[in-house]
Amino acid sequence: QSVLTQPPSVSGAPGQRVTISCTGSSSNIGAGYDVHWYQQLPGTAPKLLIYGNSNRPSGVPDRFSGSKSGTSASLAITGLQAEDEADYYCQSYDSSLSLEVFGGGTKLTVL
Amino acid sequence: QVQLVQSGAEVKKPGASVKVSCKASGYTFTSYGISWVRQAPGQGLEWMGWISAYNGNTNYAQKLQGRVTMTTDTSTSTAYMELRSLRSDDTAVYYCARDRGYSRGNYMDVWGKGTTVTVSS
Repeated sequence: QSVLTQPPSVSGAPGQRVTISCTGSSSNIGAGYDVHWYQQLPGTAPKLLIYGNSNRPSGVPDRFSGSKSGTSASLAITGLQAEDEADYYCQSYDSSLSLEVFGGGTKLTVL
Repeated sequence: QVQLVQSGAEVKKPGASVKVSCKASGYTFTSYGISWVRQAPGQGLEWMGWISAYNGNTNYAQKLQGRVTMTTDTSTSTAYMELRSLRSDDTAVYYCARDRGYSRGNYMDVWGKGTTVTVSS
């Protein structure tokens, strides 16, 4: 069981919008720690997608956006493209465990 | 460009140790930390720990305390992760990542390509 809970899978057709949720608790997201998102394409290393809840590193398309509210965060992908098919992970800090924690990951399938 | 180059794949027997290296280039090594993250086959990401390349301070995941040691060599801009008393469930891809710490947490903005460690008798 991951400290941060993500849906195992989501899917959408090309051009559609999908969201991936990341639910935490009062010792991580709810405690004010930021949420970060990573994209892992098949067979490759993770890549930073969103940092500090809603900031995109240089080079990440603005089709990707992040938000945070209370003990949860969300990643939204608009204008879905075939190359977005990947695993997505959220990450935050947990003060009870004193460590960085990842969500279990969400597999995005582009139909 | 900023990159982290990791050492090659390893095959170890149960009970042995492994030391993975991660050579940084393209940035001032001592200005950032390095986190280590592993991924077992078909599984998610697991944070193992962090080391400051500035002063060598470390923070290890409790489940690995006593088995893991993270070090850096600032003369070669290289970070190392040693894992001892290997078990079959340590079989995983091990990633190093540049760590950006700030007041509300840490994130990893540059990742190595990963090192596959296989533990098998």
